[in-house]
Amino acid sequence: AQTVTQSQPEMSVQEAETVTLSCTYDTSENNYYLFWYKQPPSRQMILVIRQEAYKQQNATENRFSVNFQKAAKSFSLKISDSQLGDTAMYFCAFMKHWRGGADGLTFGKGTHLIIQP
Amino acid sequence: GAGVSQSPSNKVTEKGKDVELRCDPISGHTALYWYRQRLGQGLEFLIYFQGNSAPDKSGLPSDRFSAERTGESVSTLTIQRTQQEDSAVYLCASSTGQEHTEAFFGQGTRLTVV
Repeated sequence: AQTVTQSQPEMSVQEAETVTLSCTYDTSENNYYLFWYKQPPSRQMILVIRQEAYKQQNATENRFSVNFQKAAKSFSLKISDSQLGDTAMYFCAFMKHWRGGADGLTFGKGTHLIIQP
Repeated sequence: GAGVSQSPSNKVTEKGKDVELRCDPISGHTALYWYRQRLGQGLEFLIYFQGNSAPDKSGLPSDRFSAERTGESVSTLTIQRTQQEDSAVYLCASSTGQEHTEAFFGQGTRLTVV
């Protein structure tokens, strides 16, 4: 079974600063996907960024980028130029390649990110 | 539809009553997940459907919980004899189950048992 660990229950930064959310995972799989989801108070889980394990290049989506270290099983999210609208819960998630089930899509416990004005 | 749709958005029920929660996945998505999210907590896996295969029910917390899915369409999660500890947001997600395995979530049903 896979496990995903987010060690920061809550983080707070000033607007426009850069913040990094950490995530580590444990798996015996070689092919898999990693995701960061954002959950604002509206409850909607929004995909922020995804990374395929077979790709060495770190994924980037505008102000969001990841630092994927496959050997270390680490997948951190960096948010640059943080904005008030970035305030939300952020969940790191792991998914096996095309297989599902109980350990197919596994989430960490989340990090509550607060952007201060 | 364009996204995963869940209904109702909110449900308040009395302890001991049965409730039924509905999830309409994205058309063509073969994989469907139900998760429970208690206040301030992460997502707890409940059940997984993949096409016509037998569902993975290993996350259902008790026999009061059950879920059905007809083919690759609508799924319903039923909670019988609700208890106060069942109060949570119930999230549904679907994915293609293929190479592009991104999971799309609905907005959830907030269940409050009083």
